[in-house]
Amino acid sequence: KNEVEQSPQNLTAQEGEFITINCSYSVGISALHWLQQHPGGGIVSLFMLSSGKKKHGRLIATINIQEKHSSLHITASHPRDSAVYICAVRSRGGKDKLIFGTGTRLQVFP
Amino acid sequence: AAGVIQSPRHLIKEKRETATLKCYPIPRHDTVYWYQQGPGQDPQFLISFYEKMQSDKGSIPDRFSAQQFSDYHSELNMSSLELGDSALYFCASREQGKAYEQYFGPGTRLTVT
Repeated sequence: KNEVEQSPQNLTAQEGEFITINCSYSVGISALHWLQQHPGGGIVSLFMLSSGKKKHGRLIATINIQEKHSSLHITASHPRDSAVYICAVRSRGGKDKLIFGTGTRLQVFP
Repeated sequence: AAGVIQSPRHLIKEKRETATLKCYPIPRHDTVYWYQQGPGQDPQFLISFYEKMQSDKGSIPDRFSAQQFSDYHSELNMSSLELGDSALYFCASREQGKAYEQYFGPGTRLTVT
């Protein structure tokens, strides 16, 4: 079992839909990252969370430390949001390195 | 704002050749991480450096070595390349003691033929 699991693995949506991507982890963490990766492209850091909720434009990320769960929400989705979204955690006992989830491939159609 | 720079962005090598990948962290960032992402796979941690010393080691093959220099840039040296080394290699940087956030470079895509 992976230490970081995401669901769904693949997601398709129509433009304008509200999207939720979930991340569950089994290790104690000091921080959780949501990352975005376009096909063949580099990784962009969207959020880093250690508690609560953060919002940036149409993106919202929440984390529940007790339940070891985080969600990434995209409001009013757009085709340019199509990408792979990756959840990565910094485990408390694992020094600095990040442990990555398997990613969620999102496709938003016009 | 300055970002993490990686060079080259693309590299094609033949089996058994060597390759050197470079990472230039954001100014004042003293910690560098290397990750490898194979086709269709999650990124995997390879190695990290803090203040020019190796700080953590992951699944880095013995054929690979890395170091961090006095200007904090880092180089990943890969020898006896194998087809399975074809991957996207990311580096990330962080300023220790400031925040947990790692800033990622655009990656170097290595293709071994």
